[in-house]
Amino acid sequence: SYVLTQPPSVSVAPGRTARITCGGDDIGNKIVHWYQQQPGQAPVLVIHYDSDRPSGIPERFSGSNSGNTATLTISRVEAGDEAEYFCQVWDRNSGQIVFGTGTEVIVL
Amino acid sequence: QVQLVQSGAEVKKPGSSVKVSCRTSGGSFGHNLITWVRRAPGQGLEWMGGIVPRSGRANYAQKFQGRVTITADESTRTVQMELTALTSDDAAVYFCARGSSGDSTNYYFDYWGQGTLVSVSS
Repeated sequence: SYVLTQPPSVSVAPGRTARITCGGDDIGNKIVHWYQQQPGQAPVLVIHYDSDRPSGIPERFSGSNSGNTATLTISRVEAGDEAEYFCQVWDRNSGQIVFGTGTEVIVL
Repeated sequence: QVQLVQSGAEVKKPGSSVKVSCRTSGGSFGHNLITWVRRAPGQGLEWMGGIVPRSGRANYAQKFQGRVTITADESTRTVQMELTALTSDDAAVYFCARGSSGDSTNYYFDYWGQGTLVSVSS
């Protein structure tokens, strides 16, 4: 089955940029979506179709996807961005939806 | 305004089954994918399966094949997920979510239920 690998955690100072990677075999040829999950809450979609922001999501959130790595970038990080982030794809070969392992963003 | 409201917390014994429901309002019910995702303590998000109510056909994650059943009732706009043969590993928060897609394949989940805590203990 298709596997998406994320770093367990990323630490960033307020005002700096956080980059969260999502590694998968030839992921650049798949469509990647990203979610933010705060403790005790439901996930929130922050990026869909690799780089599109849903309405209401700040411009500070952006996405890219190429080769074997997709990246979620959070610019000018704020304390409220501290959460866990998950990438997600649909694997055409298996017809299954796959989530990444998740990355905890820690704001220092 | 699309909303998904789930049934309440459950406490189950090992070997038993649990049913969690997800009532939707707003938007189109029949043509959108409704999916189930769980998060166990210390684990990440895990896709379990989903259904497009109008088609009546469900698609399940390989891990849960044979143990999970997802059904939809268009008259009540409700989707139900049943998980059987529960073990302690099934203790988790279960979420329903609405899937959207431009091509009926690369679904993303734009609306989520509030989550249902399922505890499994003897």
